[in-house]
Amino acid sequence: QKEVEQNSGPLSVPEGAIASLNCTYSDRGSQSFFWYRQYSGKSPELIMSIYSNGDKEDGRFTAQLNKASQYVSLLIRDSQPSDSATYLCAVNKFIQAGTALIFGKGTTLSVSS
Amino acid sequence: GAVVSQHPSWVICKSGTSVKIECRSLDFQATTMFWYRQFPKQSLMLMATSNEGSKATYEQGVEKDKFLINHASLTLSTLTVTSAHPEDSSFYICSAPPLQGGTDTQYFGPGTRLTVL
Repeated sequence: QKEVEQNSGPLSVPEGAIASLNCTYSDRGSQSFFWYRQYSGKSPELIMSIYSNGDKEDGRFTAQLNKASQYVSLLIRDSQPSDSATYLCAVNKFIQAGTALIFGKGTTLSVSS
Repeated sequence: GAVVSQHPSWVICKSGTSVKIECRSLDFQATTMFWYRQFPKQSLMLMATSNEGSKATYEQGVEKDKFLINHASLTLSTLTVTSAHPEDSSFYICSAPPLQGGTDTQYFGPGTRLTVL
C-alpha cells in the first residue's frame, strides 16, 4: 500500500464549479496534512495545511480531514481556469532526522472556461 | 515569506560527469534541508535529509555514494550527482523548514531540471 494515494485524474470541471480532490494515507501516526499546487515545470506551492479533524476554510479552498478514515480532501469553490494544475497531497512522516513530507502522486485538475 | 533558492535552474551534462546543485535559504536558517526528486508525471520522492554539521540521511533505495550531500552552513546544502547517467535526468527540488517555524512548515526551492545526455 502506498503511503499517500490520490486519483491521478485528470479531473475536469467547468469554470465556476466545485472541484473535489481526495487523498488517503496509510500511517495512522501522521499528524500534519498539506495540499500543494504544482504547475508544470514548477516546484510545489502550499495551499492549505490542516491538523485537526473537520473542515478548514481559506478563501475558495476548504480542506477536510478525517483521521479515523485516514482521509483528506480539498474543495475548490468557484473554480477558475487559473486553478488548472496538479494538486499534491502531503502527509508528515517522522524519520531519523526529524519530520519530512511524503507526497501523493497528485491529481491533475483542468478547469474549462 | 521565507525564500529558498536553487542553482542552477537547469543543467545539461554528458553521461559520466558530475553535477552540483545548490540549495540556499535566503532569509532564514535551517539545520535540516530535504532533497526530493520528481520524474515526469510522478510525485515528489524524498531522497535524503541534509543535516547541518553531520552526515545526510538517505531514504531506502537512494545510493549515498552517487548522491553526495553536504550541508556546510545553516543556509546552504548541496547535492552532487556523481557519474550522472541518463536515468538520473529528473527535476530535483529542495525544501527547508525554518528553525523557528517547526518542521511542518517547509519552503520549497524552485527546482533544478537535470538532463543527462
